[in-house]
Amino acid sequence: KAGVTQTPRYLIKTRGQQVTLSCSPISGHRSVSWYQQTPGQGLQFLFEYFSETQRNKGNFPGRFSGRQFSNSRSEMNVSTLELGDSALYLCASSLVRQETQYFGPGTRLLVL
Amino acid sequence: DQQVKQNSPSLSVQEGRISILNCDYTNSMFDYFLWYKKYPAEGPTFLISISSIKDKNEDGRFTVFLNKSAKHLSLHIVPSQPGDSAVYFCAASELNSGNTPLVFGKGTRLSVIA
Repeated sequence: KAGVTQTPRYLIKTRGQQVTLSCSPISGHRSVSWYQQTPGQGLQFLFEYFSETQRNKGNFPGRFSGRQFSNSRSEMNVSTLELGDSALYLCASSLVRQETQYFGPGTRLLVL
Repeated sequence: DQQVKQNSPSLSVQEGRISILNCDYTNSMFDYFLWYKKYPAEGPTFLISISSIKDKNEDGRFTVFLNKSAKHLSLHIVPSQPGDSAVYFCAASELNSGNTPLVFGKGTRLSVIA
């Protein structure tokens, strides 16, 4: 079974731009969660989607948004990028609830 | 407020010896705990989990121990191998309370020296 895939793997943007990241979960998994990893803060939860609905949301500003499609694929959008948004963005999928989550390789975003 | 804490940022162990990684939590509602391993430039890889109804779970060289009264869990790797060198994250959730996300510690970097 294929694992979680994320595209693109690397991205360079400038301040003020917006970015969209994509995640395809493991086949049959319906829950997709997004995390931000930075050296100082570790892995921080952004949001979780299940059946095209946002089920949980972390403590991030409204510039961070996401959505899930009917095939469970998910996208994450960050608008008006700031230097502090430079991070590794990880997507994880699980069957139904947020039990054991399986992570993708991540998208490394650099904001200049 | 950090609900999951890994107080040792790094740990060095000789090949063949036991590695013990520790994790403390403050939220008594956590009932499901996991350990992930992460190599540079890769996503975390699931290692082992334990439910709060158990105090030990074993999978090959990896054993997780849970002490609910102390709100403490540990991961034992025996014997340690150079390929185990990675950052290890402890995570917890309130699985039975409903839809809550995983809360991660900040990780412990394990170096296994040949």
